[in-house]
Amino acid sequence: GQQLNQSPQSMFIQEGEDVSMNCTSSSIFNTWLWYKQDPGEGPVLLIALYKAGELTSNGRLTAQFGITRKDSFLNISASIPSDVGIYFCAGLMSSNTGKLIFGQGTTLQVKP
Amino acid sequence: NAGVTQTPKFQVLKTGQSMTLQCAQDMNHEYMSWYRQDPGMGLRLIHYSVGAGITDQGEVPNGYNVSRSTTEDFPLRLLSAAPSQTSVYFCASRDGALEFFGPGTRLTVL
Repeated sequence: GQQLNQSPQSMFIQEGEDVSMNCTSSSIFNTWLWYKQDPGEGPVLLIALYKAGELTSNGRLTAQFGITRKDSFLNISASIPSDVGIYFCAGLMSSNTGKLIFGQGTTLQVKP
Repeated sequence: NAGVTQTPKFQVLKTGQSMTLQCAQDMNHEYMSWYRQDPGMGLRLIHYSVGAGITDQGEVPNGYNVSRSTTEDFPLRLLSAAPSQTSVYFCASRDGALEFFGPGTRLTVL
């Protein structure tokens, strides 16, 4: 089935460092979503992007909708220990009744 | 609002047993989904529903049944559990393009 390529698969960084991750596809998406999943919990929506080129922030998190509409990026600035978790991208190709396509996730570990 | 709720949180089954995973949402969302999450596989869609009385298959529907008699509830039934169905199951409901997840049910099939 349709897939999103999310990278990197995992990251181990020092507290205070900035983090970047991305999702790419061969298909065009109309909406990009970014989620965070804490251990033992369900994914929580962080940011939603609706237009090509859109840049949206949520605290220390900033996400961008790629201008080709085939990719999206998430940056975390000045990481802290509670940023630990799995980050997922998700894309919606067509209408709001379409299926969400998920990336495989980026596992982030932060060393205090 | 309680959001999306799932019960039970943990379950252990023997091969061949059947059970129903419960999911409810109080946000009046028409669109609901069931996913399973396995290590290295991300989230895979099992079944989904665009409204009461309407269900459809996702990417991995085999071995699972769903029904949607009300807007609020979307139960997932395992007909005859198999070890391959050991996974974490997430229910979700959607508002427009925004999908909101429940806390998950961790299922082990022995």
